[in-house]
Amino acid sequence: GESVGLHLPTLSVQEGDNSIINCAYSNSASDYFIWYKQESGKGPQFIIDIRSNMDKRQGQRVTVLLNKTVKHLSLQIAATQPGDSAVYFCAEFNDYKLSFGAGTTVTVRA
Amino acid sequence: NAGVTQTPKFQVLKTGQSMTLQCAQDMNHEYMSWYRQDPGMGLRLIHYSVGAGITDQGEVPNGYNVSRSTTEDFPLRLLSAAPSQTSVYFCASSRKGYTGELFFGEGSRLTVL
Repeated sequence: GESVGLHLPTLSVQEGDNSIINCAYSNSASDYFIWYKQESGKGPQFIIDIRSNMDKRQGQRVTVLLNKTVKHLSLQIAATQPGDSAVYFCAEFNDYKLSFGAGTTVTVRA
Repeated sequence: NAGVTQTPKFQVLKTGQSMTLQCAQDMNHEYMSWYRQDPGMGLRLIHYSVGAGITDQGEVPNGYNVSRSTTEDFPLRLLSAAPSQTSVYFCASSRKGYTGELFFGEGSRLTVL
């Protein structure tokens, strides 16, 4: 699979490979960390979240990892498919407010 | 279920004009919010509401007003449009309590000339 150690605005992935999207967050007091997916011309769609007292959470083909020591969040997508092509945003939830990062555009190569 | 419905989908305004972006949800969600999204950027919170009659400011509230008279509706008003308000606006809602899982509308693209 392909991964990025630092947040990069774009990621190109071969279909069938695993993808890893990284995000650095700023607020240690955030209660939840969330990943959203936004397809072209649509509103963001919730993918998965993780509470601040957890390190890992798995969903269907996705895994979110939280490293509070270095304030780092990652989203792993298994067996990337063409339908996974989109912009992915990480977000922090704190005090009724959801703050979004800049986003990573994932392109899946056939 | 319609989810979150935004109208209009597209709007062109002249500088100084006013308008209201409508947002309605049919999920009986307590929490509603407005975001703007500019090219190459993430979403920035404009205003939010934790229930009918309660609103609060987000990260970029200047130039925008909101009200929440019912659970279902959360309109966003631009009092005197400026070119800097050209953007795509998204309304979102969530159930009471934890509000990290937002349900977004399809967006309203606004151009101010």
